Amino acid sequence: AQSVTQPDIHITVSEGASLELRCNYSYGATPYLFWYVQSPGQGLQLLLKYFSGDTLVQGIKGFEAEFKRSQSSFNLRKPSVHWSDAAEYFCAVGPALYGNKLVFGAGTILRVKS
Amino acid sequence: DSGVTQTPKHLITATGQRVTLRCSPRSGDLSVYWYQQSLDQGLQFLIQYYNGEERAKGNILERFSAQQFPDLHSELNLSSLELGDSALYFCASSAKREAGETQYFGPGTRLLVL
Repeated sequence: AQSVTQPDIHITVSEGASLELRCNYSYGATPYLFWYVQSPGQGLQLLLKYFSGDTLVQGIKGFEAEFKRSQSSFNLRKPSVHWSDAAEYFCAVGPALYGNKLVFGAGTILRVKS
Repeated sequence: DSGVTQTPKHLITATGQRVTLRCSPRSGDLSVYWYQQSLDQGLQFLIQYYNGEERAKGNILERFSAQQFPDLHSELNLSSLELGDSALYFCASSAKREAGETQYFGPGTRLLVL
């Protein structure tokens, strides 16, 4: 069965520092991988996605992620964090064998200190 | 703004009651998905509809049901509510039903069962 692990429940970084959020997945075939962000009281916004091709994917808000098949990982990075990046970040994998459901990780809460 | 709308934003009800959550997908999107976000279970896929037909089912309880209408809006019906049904319910939509299609999420309906 598909699964996603986000090992860090909380991460705190200083504003201007670099960020890396970890994501490991378990999937039997070539996965489709996504990162979503959820601000307090808001819905989920897609940051970026990986289907195939270049393993380094650029997203919105200055985020990027790198797919590493050998490590079953899809880590999210940002070179310089802004206070407005404080939110919860979800890694997701899809699709299911039937249908297009997403399987989400537990999420990582990012705190930014000034 | 993703273009997906959900009503109501908040819902407070009592155990044993029945509620209906409504979702309007982005203009032109044929697939609608329902997810439940709770503290103990995280983000869980419930069900997917494509152009009025059920496409995939996830961890949806028998007390819950959904449908997609000819105008493509969808409703999620929750009955015999229990305290544990308190959660944030998200609707998402995608253009078609192909694997890995981007899902756009609405702001969610927060359900509190007392």
